[in-house]
Amino acid sequence: QKEVEQNSGPLSVPEGAIASLNCTYSDRGSQSFFWYRQYSGKSPELIMFIYSNGDKEDGRFTAQLNKASQYVSLLIRDSQPSDSATYLCAVIEYGNNRLAFGKGNQVVVIP
Amino acid sequence: EAGVTQSPTHLIKTRGQQATLRCSPISGHTSVYWYQQALGLGLQFLLWYDEGEERNRGNFPPRFSGRQFPNYSSELNVNALELEDSALYLCASSLLVGTLPADTQYFGPGTRLTVL
Repeated sequence: QKEVEQNSGPLSVPEGAIASLNCTYSDRGSQSFFWYRQYSGKSPELIMFIYSNGDKEDGRFTAQLNKASQYVSLLIRDSQPSDSATYLCAVIEYGNNRLAFGKGNQVVVIP
Repeated sequence: EAGVTQSPTHLIKTRGQQATLRCSPISGHTSVYWYQQALGLGLQFLLWYDEGEERNRGNFPPRFSGRQFPNYSSELNVNALELEDSALYLCASSLLVGTLPADTQYFGPGTRLTVL
C-alpha cells in the first residue's frame, strides 16, 4: 500500500512571498507525481506533473523531484490570495493507475 | 474542449437505498476512475475502468460497483447506503493507460452524496 505523506500543517504566507510544500512517498516503484489544487467545496485541479528527477517550472509553480530521497515538493512564487487552497500531492505507480493522495496542505495567502 | 462532467451535482438518499452516479470523460479519454473524498479521510481510490472493463479496485466493499459504457462514460452504483457513504464522489479520466504523460488524470466537479 503506497503511502503519501504531507505532514505540514496549514501554511500562512504573505502575498508576494514563496510558499513551499513538501511530500514524501513510500513506494520506490512510483513513476509519476502530481500536484493538485483544491478549493473548498470544489474538485482537484491539476497544477503540475513531474516524472524525472530535478526541477520543473510552469509559470509561478516549480515542482522538484528527488527519487533517491523519495520526496517531491512544490514552490509557489509570488503567492497571490487566489492561491489560497488545499494542495494535494499524488503518486501513481506505472501500470497500476490508481492515484494515492496525501491528505493535503492548506495554504493561506495573506494580503 | 469540454472537461469531465458528472451528474447529479447533489444527491440525497436515505440509509439502505441505492445511489447511481454518472460520469462522462473528456473526449478521447478511454480510462475512467472513481474516487471518494469523505470528510477528514482524504481522497480514496474506488475503481478504474478502461475499454469497458474494470481494471483495478480500491479497498471498498462489493456494494460499490460500476460499469463503463461503449462511449466510455461510466456509472458508479452504491447499494445499501450507509451513513458513512456520505462524501464527495469524484470521477477522473485519462487518455491512455501506462503512457506518460497521457496517464494524467483530470477530475470532474464531483457528486456530493448525502445519506440521511
